[in-house]
Amino acid sequence: DQQVKQNSPSLSVQEGRISILNCDYTNSMFDYFLWYKKYPAEGPTFLISISSIKDKNEDGRFTVFLNKSAKHLSLHIVPSQPGDSAVYFCAAIIQGAQKLVFGQGTRLTINP
Amino acid sequence: DTAVSQTPKYLVTQMGNDKSIKCEQNLGHDTMYWYKQDSKKFLKIMFSYNNKELIINETVPNRFSPKSPDKAHLNLHINSLELGDSAVYFCASSFRGTNSPLHFGNGTRLTVT
Repeated sequence: DQQVKQNSPSLSVQEGRISILNCDYTNSMFDYFLWYKKYPAEGPTFLISISSIKDKNEDGRFTVFLNKSAKHLSLHIVPSQPGDSAVYFCAAIIQGAQKLVFGQGTRLTINP
Repeated sequence: DTAVSQTPKYLVTQMGNDKSIKCEQNLGHDTMYWYKQDSKKFLKIMFSYNNKELIINETVPNRFSPKSPDKAHLNLHINSLELGDSAVYFCASSFRGTNSPLHFGNGTRLTVT
């Protein structure tokens, strides 16, 4: 039973435009959410996070939005750059539980 | 460089063999993890150790045995390898009890033939 789902396996966006990556979760106990970015042959690296007490967190070009009632979060990247081409993983955790649950990732390709 | 490093990067072996993957972190973290990325690309936790104590042990065959000699090292030993064990295994570390994100190694691609 996948508790965190990223239903789009891939996304292609033109350079300079906005990239929107989506993530849904089923466990209402999750109270902290993270996005990781992964390049080929490397491990995932932390990108941005959000606590369930917030609905938005922004860091430079990256903004994460959380809709708790819909159990949905999204990552916005604007403007998109070629270096943003990677696989993006959404993850969720019940704070204190130490068990991070990942989605299956979305491959983002930024076209020049 | 401060990092999580795991060796080997690639491991090709035959069914029935026993193999180990090593992981070391120099970030001063007190918690280490093993994750498995299967063919469907899901990253699933296998084990977690905090200060050498096992705190998470997911439903993993007992052919998999983690060992943590100290809080900076977490090795994974796999006995009697099976075809289905083929995957990418990621080591990670973090501070326990905080919202500090996991830092991952670059993965070990295990291929069982």
